[in-house]
Parts: sequence; structure tokens; C-alpha cells
Amino acid sequence: DAKTTQPPSMDCAEGRAANLPCNHSTISGNEYVYWYRQIHSQGPQYIIHGLKNNETNEMASLIITEDRKSSTLILPHATLRDTAVYYCIVRVGGVRGNTPLVFGKGTRLSVIA
Amino acid sequence: GAVVSQHPSWVICKSGTSVKIECRSLDFQATTMFWYRQFPKQSLMLMATSNEGSKATYEQGVEKDKFLINHASLTLSTLTVTSAHPEDSSFYICSARDGTGPEKLFFGSGTQLSVL
Repeated sequence: DAKTTQPPSMDCAEGRAANLPCNHSTISGNEYVYWYRQIHSQGPQYIIHGLKNNETNEMASLIITEDRKSSTLILPHATLRDTAVYYCIVRVGGVRGNTPLVFGKGTRLSVIA
Repeated sequence: GAVVSQHPSWVICKSGTSVKIECRSLDFQATTMFWYRQFPKQSLMLMATSNEGSKATYEQGVEKDKFLINHASLTLSTLTVTSAHPEDSSFYICSARDGTGPEKLFFGSGTQLSVL
């Protein structure tokens, strides 16, 4: 079973920041937080991942709370092409990272013009 | 980033026939690949873990004799759906880990299987 909780759906106006929350209150010390998204009829696309510190890349920012029990994915300027299902997943990383990603139901983000 | 190529993108077959789906890691070696399937409006469900040079590990409820997995090289894993039936119609997706870099998993573009 997925170890994360996400809202089933969210709307965001085009050009505004999209903030997608995720709860992972049972996360272990060696588990990373991963974010993927899936656009209709395509394979999931990697967005970002982190362990403790906040992370930023060209796609998004990941904010992890100090107790690591929750996180927020931020898309700074959402576009219509960001409409997708976003999955927050916790997974053991590092040298023991041969475990699969277990997907929950994710958040369906709709970016509205 | 690393690229995982999956082929074919879609396939239509008659009931009772077998279908092979290929998953290749194009610019990295993948000792482990994962196979998922996804029914309409549902999330991805892990079917099996494919390890190069050894037998695949199947999730509970997945028939190993029906979904044959072969991982003969570090860049290729195949999933064969044997004696396909309409209930096997689904979106099949493979994933591979780039073991040389950060702990990321990359996904193929998926294969839509329709069994008539």
C-alpha cells in the first residue's frame, strides 16, 4: 500500500504557482520523497526527489518539513501542459535503492487558462 | 536524463494470441527493471521485478505463467502476455533504475494492449 496521502484533485490558474501537498507521517529515516507526474496515456515522468533538505530543479521545488512527515511540491508558474496526475512516493534510496516505486492515487492537477 | 524505450506503443491482438513488449535502457545499464500495469482511471500497479540473469519476482495475484518476463541483458527486459484475453487489455509500463547516478527510476512511454 502507498505510504502517502494526497488530495485527489486540485485546480490552479495558468501562470500561478501550484502547491501540491503530501503527507507521509510514517516515513523512515532512509526513505526519500519522490515526485512523479503522469500525463494522460504516457509513462510517469520524474520531477524531483529529496531526503531532508529542500530541493529545486528546472521543473519544480520540493519543500520537506523539518520532521519529514509532509512535503509540498511547488510548480512556480503552472502552464496548461502541467495538467497531469502528480504522485508523491516514499522509497528507500541510496545503495539499497533497488526497490520499486509504489504508486498511490495521486493528485489530479488541472491548470486552467 | 536517462532514457527508457518501450516498444510497441500500442498493440491490438486477437484473444488467445501472445504479445511481447520490450523495454530498453538506452544510455545506462539497468540490473533491475520493474513492470507495471494500469487500468483506466486507476493508478499504476506493480506486476513484477525483473533482475538481469535471474528469475523475475512477481507480486501477489500476478500469474507468472501468463506474464513471462525475461531480462537477458543489462539493457533489455521483455514482458510476454501469453494467451491474451480481453481482461488483459491494459496499459503496461516498464521502469528502470539508473544505478550510476542519483536514486531515480525512469519510465518507458507505455504500451496500450487491446485484446479483442
